[in-house]
Amino acid sequence: QVQLQESGPGLVKPSQSLSLICTVSGSSITSGTYFWTWIRQSAGKGLEWIGHIYVSGNTIYNPSLKSRVNISVDTSKGQLSLKVASVTAADTAVYYCARGLLGVFTHFDYWGQGAPVTVSS
Amino acid sequence: DIQMTQSPSSLSASVGDRVTITCRASQNIFTYLNWYHQQPGKAPKLLIYGTSNLQNGVPARFGGGGSGTDFTLTISSLQPEDIGTYYCQQSHSTVLSFGSGTKVEI
Repeated sequence: QVQLQESGPGLVKPSQSLSLICTVSGSSITSGTYFWTWIRQSAGKGLEWIGHIYVSGNTIYNPSLKSRVNISVDTSKGQLSLKVASVTAADTAVYYCARGLLGVFTHFDYWGQGAPVTVSS
Repeated sequence: DIQMTQSPSSLSASVGDRVTITCRASQNIFTYLNWYHQQPGKAPKLLIYGTSNLQNGVPARFGGGGSGTDFTLTISSLQPEDIGTYYCQQSHSTVLSFGSGTKVEI
């Protein structure tokens, strides 16, 4: 079955970069049927879409984060990555990767369990 | 960017009650509207896509409707496992966005 698993440091110092990996199994990361997304959720808050990447390599980012975010895919490893530069306490959140299904009605059908990240010195 | 507004922000209901959650978009999104359910401590789970299409495995007590800017999610008979927070999400724009959530308690 389709599984997504986030991994990475749970603690990042302010002004440094946050890096997370999402390992995908049970689904081809190179299939043109899907796109791959990062979403985050601060404690007690709602969901914030960070951005996503298509098989072509094209990316779309949330304008509020665009200057600090990079999403990439390593097709040989079946992994999706997220980098957020110059982090502050406001970047403390649970980070989810998700599979987006392309079609008439685009939606996220599979999610990882989430990776908590704390920004603190 | 398209802003999504949900109401109410929270509600309390009894088992068996009919529950309705509303989602409003800041501009016309036609029927490009999805609903997710997040149980406490878990990742969100897709319930409905394209306003009214039930995801595989989702119970038939869940239903969605609307078009343009106003949408609803209805639970016809609330069950204990339905507690948690419900989010709408628009996919009309390439810049995606979620609503602020509706917390459902029993």
